[in-house]
Amino acid sequence: GAVVSQHPSRVICKSGTSVKIECRSLDFQATTMFWYRQFPKQSLMLMATSNEGSKATYEQGVEKDKFLINHASLTLSTLTVTSAHPEDSSFYICSARDNFGGTEAFFGQGTRLTVV
Amino acid sequence: SQKIEQNSEALNIQEGKTATLTCNYTNYSPAYLQWYRQDPGRGPVFLLLIRENEKEKRKERLKVTFDTTLKQSLFHITASQPADSATYLCALDPSGTYKYIFGTGTRLKVLA
Repeated sequence: GAVVSQHPSRVICKSGTSVKIECRSLDFQATTMFWYRQFPKQSLMLMATSNEGSKATYEQGVEKDKFLINHASLTLSTLTVTSAHPEDSSFYICSARDNFGGTEAFFGQGTRLTVV
Repeated sequence: SQKIEQNSEALNIQEGKTATLTCNYTNYSPAYLQWYRQDPGRGPVFLLLIRENEKEKRKERLKVTFDTTLKQSLFHITASQPADSATYLCALDPSGTYKYIFGTGTRLKVLA
């Protein structure tokens, strides 16, 4: 099946710094990618939709200035958590759909962000 | 409000038995429903998709049913094995835009 690679898998940063997370579709092109956040023992919550060549769209309650998304190519989307705070500590997961594939989405392995 | 609920947070069963997980939703009329497996510290892995006009879908030891009248999907794992232990998530695409909404998840533990 299609592979989505997410990097890094774990990151620890100091409060107030910014962290960038990359999401790559390795063997397919994805005009649209999605970013989710998952807190412990909770389900995935959609944060934003990343659109290649245009602005991301954010779900209600998600601060676009805090979670910067860039989708510069058909295989790469990045999520930057700016001025991170301990409450931003979470598991961030991206997904992508194959432009020429079916309905299923393929998920990255996730990034565990810890802000200290 | 719109929500998706999965029957229990945790389910323990004996190896070799059939595990049955439930996904109930309200206020949606999805064209399809999906099931994913998630292992600790990992992203979800797609298992099965069932469309609204399909009653049942099978893949190896997995079986999914979809009752749009009851707004419910059942996910079965037959001849369960300890390696099947994981969290299982159902997901809907209410708007047809691939913005999936996930259920609360059921942590399945298969005991040897």
